[in-house]
Amino acid sequence: EIVMTQSPATLSVSPGERATLSCRASQSVSSNLAWYQQKPGQAPRLLIYGASTRATGIPARFSGSGSGTEFTLTISSLQSDDFAVYYCQQSNDWPKTFGQGTNVEIK
Amino acid sequence: EVQLVESGGGLVQPGGSLRLSCAASGFSFSRYWMHWVRQVPGKGLVWVSRINSDGSDTKYADSVKGRFTISRDDAKNTLYLQMNSLRVEDTAMYYCATDFSSYLADWGQGTLVTVSS
Repeated sequence: EIVMTQSPATLSVSPGERATLSCRASQSVSSNLAWYQQKPGQAPRLLIYGASTRATGIPARFSGSGSGTEFTLTISSLQSDDFAVYYCQQSNDWPKTFGQGTNVEIK
Repeated sequence: EVQLVESGGGLVQPGGSLRLSCAASGFSFSRYWMHWVRQVPGKGLVWVSRINSDGSDTKYADSVKGRFTISRDDAKNTLYLQMNSLRVEDTAMYYCATDFSSYLADWGQGTLVTVSS
């Protein structure tokens, strides 16, 4: 099974600042990677798929990059609505595995 | 608007069974592959199972293989997860989600399953 490792576990950021989240795969997943956002008490929401394509309705301040085993989610200027947990997920192989999440909190 | 509404969760004893349902609306359910994903409260997401659009192909996480069965009824626009031989470690919120090129595009709000004596 492909193991997805996210870092850091917690990221403290001030509103308006840039946030950079990392996700590493234990083997290549090509560009078959997604990012999800989950707020407390809510279901996850798809943000990015194919490593860099924003899902419908996702603001341009969210961007994804990377391929192979190293991926990055960047939030260019954090808004109050962006404080949440972010998960990466590989779709290259079964089972579809998730990272353990990065909690983006207000600094 | 896509709507997915899970139901069927609850408290069950170890070794017991539950059947979860996911009622779909707002899209052509019969054309979509569907997934179940679970999450222990306060913990991360774990993919559980997937079914293709005509129900002929299913996949399971090793942790549930042989105990859980995913199925669908396109006439009722409903996805199911039959869970047998439940264990304490199956306790989680269970979400259904639509498949979009193997990604999880739309999610329900989840149904909580608690396995405890």
